[in-house]
Amino acid sequence: DAGVTQSPTHLIKTRGQHVTLRCSPISGHKSVSWYQQVLGQGPQFIFQYYEKEERGRGNFPDRFSARQFPNYSSELNVNALLLGDSALYLCASSFEEGGNDGYTFGSGTRLTVV
Amino acid sequence: QKEVEQNSGPLSVPEGAIASLNCTYSDRGSQSFFWYRQYSGKSPELIMFIYSNGDKEDGRFTAQLNKASQYVSLLIRDSQPSDSATYLCAVNRYSSASKIIFGSGTRLSIRP
Repeated sequence: DAGVTQSPTHLIKTRGQHVTLRCSPISGHKSVSWYQQVLGQGPQFIFQYYEKEERGRGNFPDRFSARQFPNYSSELNVNALLLGDSALYLCASSFEEGGNDGYTFGSGTRLTVV
Repeated sequence: QKEVEQNSGPLSVPEGAIASLNCTYSDRGSQSFFWYRQYSGKSPELIMFIYSNGDKEDGRFTAQLNKASQYVSLLIRDSQPSDSATYLCAVNRYSSASKIIFGSGTRLSIRP
């Protein structure tokens, strides 16, 4: 069975540009969460979606937005990129809404803003 | 105060010994607790989860939870060089839009 898939794996963008990151959850998982991980830190929560509805939002500016599609895949969008947005962006899926069964992470998208 | 706190390490343990990793959390409403392992350059991988006070064992790993002290720990018995990684503690805070919050991780190094 395919795990959580993320695309692209690596991305280089210029300050001020826009980026879209994509995630496909494990088949049957309806909950998708997005995290940002900076080197040396733990993952920071950005968004959680369940059944196409936003169920949680972390302390990130409005430049960050996301959505979940009818097939439960998800996109994370970041506008007006800043150097500080350079990080590993992780998508995680779970069967239960609250992730009580534990999250399975994708391999991540490494975003570099120059 | 951080919501989930871990000693950043590095924690160095000889091969074959017991590695003990600790975590404290601030939200008493937290109900489920997780340990993830993250190798350098890779994404986190779920090792164990625990919901109830006490110990939970899975192979060489034992998770311990003390809700009164707001304390979670992970013991790794018979440590192997392949256990060298960063270990992330995470808690699920049902009190706030149900999301999983991670600590900053503890780097563990198993020396041969």
